[in-house]
Amino acid sequence: ETGVTQTPRHLVMGMTNKKSLKCEQHLGHNAMYWYKQSAKKPLELMFVYSLEERVENNSVPSRFSPECPNSSHLFLHLHTLQPEDSALYLCASSLGLARSDTQYFGPGTRLTVL
Amino acid sequence: KQEVTQIPAALSVPEGENLVLNCSFTDSAIYNLQWFRQDPGKGLTSLLLIQSSQREQTSGRLNASLDKSSGRSTLYIAASQPGDSATYLCAVSPRSNDYKLSFGAGTTVTVRA
Repeated sequence: ETGVTQTPRHLVMGMTNKKSLKCEQHLGHNAMYWYKQSAKKPLELMFVYSLEERVENNSVPSRFSPECPNSSHLFLHLHTLQPEDSALYLCASSLGLARSDTQYFGPGTRLTVL
Repeated sequence: KQEVTQIPAALSVPEGENLVLNCSFTDSAIYNLQWFRQDPGKGLTSLLLIQSSQREQTSGRLNASLDKSSGRSTLYIAASQPGDSATYLCAVSPRSNDYKLSFGAGTTVTVRA
């Protein structure tokens, strides 16, 4: 088990629902990331936070809204999603944003949008 | 933009056979390359990290080589076991002081008992 936890592990939602994904890291890191992993495609970086400030918003649609209330917690708020948003959403953390700072990944949330 | 390719997308071998997984990247200006393992529906576990100045790294039955000039890395898994069945991803870190990793789509390995 890694020091990065994610809840829920599985989520099924309709296109009109509002839900949130939660990530928590117990590693004392200052940077946190959201990635999207679709079937047979490389991981796509969505958002990056450093010391609770967003430093990356990789052209992600506004129906995805991140929140980082402190350096240990990261949320991804979801609303009016589309079926093509179904994917595995992975959270990661690292000590900082330097290239030498290894990213540690959580187990992911498997999201299905009906 | 860095492009990372992993071929084949899937591989099935009998138990005991050696596994050879390939990763290629288009921009040789990398800081390091990392191999990850991902079990179905799970997160990524780091297996090996090779710095750009290194040629290979070894951990138990795993050996990863890096040829930066040709943009290639190979992960060898000796004497495969059913427990090695998983998806293996490679990711490269850019030479610039940047946190952005470029991932391949992965090779899904099945080791048959």
